[in-house]
Amino acid sequence: EDKVVQSPLSLVVHEGDTVTLNCSYEVTNFRSLLWYKQEKKAPTFLFMLTSSGIEKKSGRLSSILDKKELFSILNITATQTGDSAVYLCAVWDGGSQGNLIFGKGTKLSVKP
Amino acid sequence: DGGITQSPKYLFRKEGQNVTLSCEQNLNHDAMYWYRQDPGQGLRLIYYSQIVNDFQKGDIAEGYSVSREKKESFPLTVTSAQKNPTAFYLCASSINGPRGGIQPQHFGDGTRLSIL
Repeated sequence: EDKVVQSPLSLVVHEGDTVTLNCSYEVTNFRSLLWYKQEKKAPTFLFMLTSSGIEKKSGRLSSILDKKELFSILNITATQTGDSAVYLCAVWDGGSQGNLIFGKGTKLSVKP
Repeated sequence: DGGITQSPKYLFRKEGQNVTLSCEQNLNHDAMYWYRQDPGQGLRLIYYSQIVNDFQKGDIAEGYSVSREKKESFPLTVTSAQKNPTAFYLCASSINGPRGGIQPQHFGDGTRLSIL
């Protein structure tokens, strides 16, 4: 059975810390991995990764994919309280457009 | 502003009652999706639609029904057959991806459904 596992499930840090969130997957016919940030309500898209070893970066957030070891990491540097959210990882297996497999998410809390 | 509008934000269902959750988008996206999110769980796909008048079941379609009569609208009905409907429901949309690829999904703010 295909699965996506995120770790840790929750994390508490202080402002200014750097955090690394992990997403490992066992998915037949892996095609792409996506990261989302979910605050109170709507998840917002962060990154989509398809190729190994190519870092995607947006401000203080960056992500990279390792297709050999079957995982991705999401890094957040110089964390701010506004980074507090649940970070969701999802994998597309190349099937129909709707077939994203989501992990349970990592809840990040950034304390002042 | 373009976006996805879900209504209502909160909904209460009585036993044996069908309720319908609304999802409207003005992004001109072809594909639309419904997900269910339970506490501490990832999103699970209920139904999705890639074009008007066509939709497919996701992983947990039992007890739910949808329609796609207009490109902008994808309402979800939670029927009385769904015995555990209490959850957070998220609607999403996306452009249909290029051949062999996908486009990121954009989400609405969700509807929280509870049992009375």
